[in-house]
Amino acid sequence: DTAVSQTPKYLVTQMGNDKSIKCEQNLGHDTMYWYKQDSKKFLKIMFSYNNKELIINETVPNRFSPKSPDKAHLNLHINSLELGDSAVYFCASSPFGEYTEAFFGQGTRLTVV
Amino acid sequence: AQSVTQLDSHVSVSEGTPVLLRCNYSSSYSPSLFWYVQHPNKGLQLLLKYTSAATLVKGINGFEAEFKKSETSFHLTKPSAHMSDAAEYYCVVSSREYGNKLVFGAGTILRVKS
Repeated sequence: DTAVSQTPKYLVTQMGNDKSIKCEQNLGHDTMYWYKQDSKKFLKIMFSYNNKELIINETVPNRFSPKSPDKAHLNLHINSLELGDSAVYFCASSPFGEYTEAFFGQGTRLTVV
Repeated sequence: AQSVTQLDSHVSVSEGTPVLLRCNYSSSYSPSLFWYVQHPNKGLQLLLKYTSAATLVKGINGFEAEFKKSETSFHLTKPSAHMSDAAEYYCVVSSREYGNKLVFGAGTILRVKS
């Protein structure tokens, strides 16, 4: 009964490849997010979607493209992977509105070689 | 200005002694504040949250935090540390000022010695 699940858990790929990370939530939440955790463990938001619509788009290279086919799914596609993209990517969801906490997936550790 | 500052990057305590993880925030609006915990190679789990109700907030696993507006602080405490508390802890702020998104502090690694 995983609330927020993302796949794969680990992803090792070569520079220049295109890869996708999938995320699904079964909490009935309206809002979903992608966060990036860098090598220093710092977490920063990348994107936020509410009911399939983009509401937050931080300064992220346009090689990163989120896609939300429905409000329970938010996938992250990355083109032309670079070494600096190596990080842990977390998907999260929350009910829409102020003062709401987010529920996080287990993370996807992306390693670009 | 930094929206949330965790004052210690590492904290080391002995098992059975109190834990104090310090956090200061900045916000022009009434914020929501959270503490999350991340165990090694795991996802983030919510410990507790403050959303303008009681200033002393109790969370899971015996943790609690007190919202002090005058000091712009939201320190996390636990009376007695357990080995299983060893993890990284994140103080998080959400506010209209930040578009209601969660803004994470840099994290504090808690080490518990036996």
